[in-house]
Amino acid sequence: GAVVSQHPSRVICKSGTSVKIECRSLDFQATTMFWYRQFPKKSLMLMATSNEGSKATYEQGVEKDKFLINHASLTLSTLTVTSAHPEDSSFYICSRIPPGTDGEAFFGQGTRLTVV
Amino acid sequence: AQKVTQAQTEISVVEKEDVTLDCVYETRDTTYYLFWYKQPPSGELVFLIRRNSFDEQNEISGRYSWNFQKSTSSFNFTITASQVVDSAVYFCALIPNQAGTALIFGKGTTLSVSS
Repeated sequence: GAVVSQHPSRVICKSGTSVKIECRSLDFQATTMFWYRQFPKKSLMLMATSNEGSKATYEQGVEKDKFLINHASLTLSTLTVTSAHPEDSSFYICSRIPPGTDGEAFFGQGTRLTVV
Repeated sequence: AQKVTQAQTEISVVEKEDVTLDCVYETRDTTYYLFWYKQPPSGELVFLIRRNSFDEQNEISGRYSWNFQKSTSSFNFTITASQVVDSAVYFCALIPNQAGTALIFGKGTTLSVSS
């Protein structure tokens, strides 16, 4: 079964509204989780690293104020797309890698965001 | 620089053909991990294999096989006797150095298998 649960799988929102995407680690307390964005027919680009109890680390070019990441507990990280615009439409996917292993990553099911 | 290159953007084959997906990586680290993921149209990423840099042994899993060559920094993936259900985007990915860091993905290869 899934070890990382991501919700919602699909969301349509109006321009200017905010959308929250949840990513839950079901079998492991994850101090670190990762958020990726995938444009149509493109690769997955790392947006940010979510750190439990501290601020997220954003990749260059990713707007911190637009993509708010909160990792309030060891099993939940959230990505909020604020004041969404059509260009924010994309596929967002989270993952977690347990520390101390040799790096196997598990991914959520992904969220397809459409901003109209 | 840490980088993964999948030079083949799209490949089309007919069922039962064998197909090889190429992956070339760059990293300065001596310890690293290589992955292949399958992404069907639904979007979820399906884990296929993980290899660490110290294990160059080739692997076979059913119709899938992987050829890891450190000398050429390549980690190629072969599907034998392809099937329509193999149609998907396949990503090669790298985690440099130690565990706990994010994957670096290649651009993906779209495989279309027709009947």
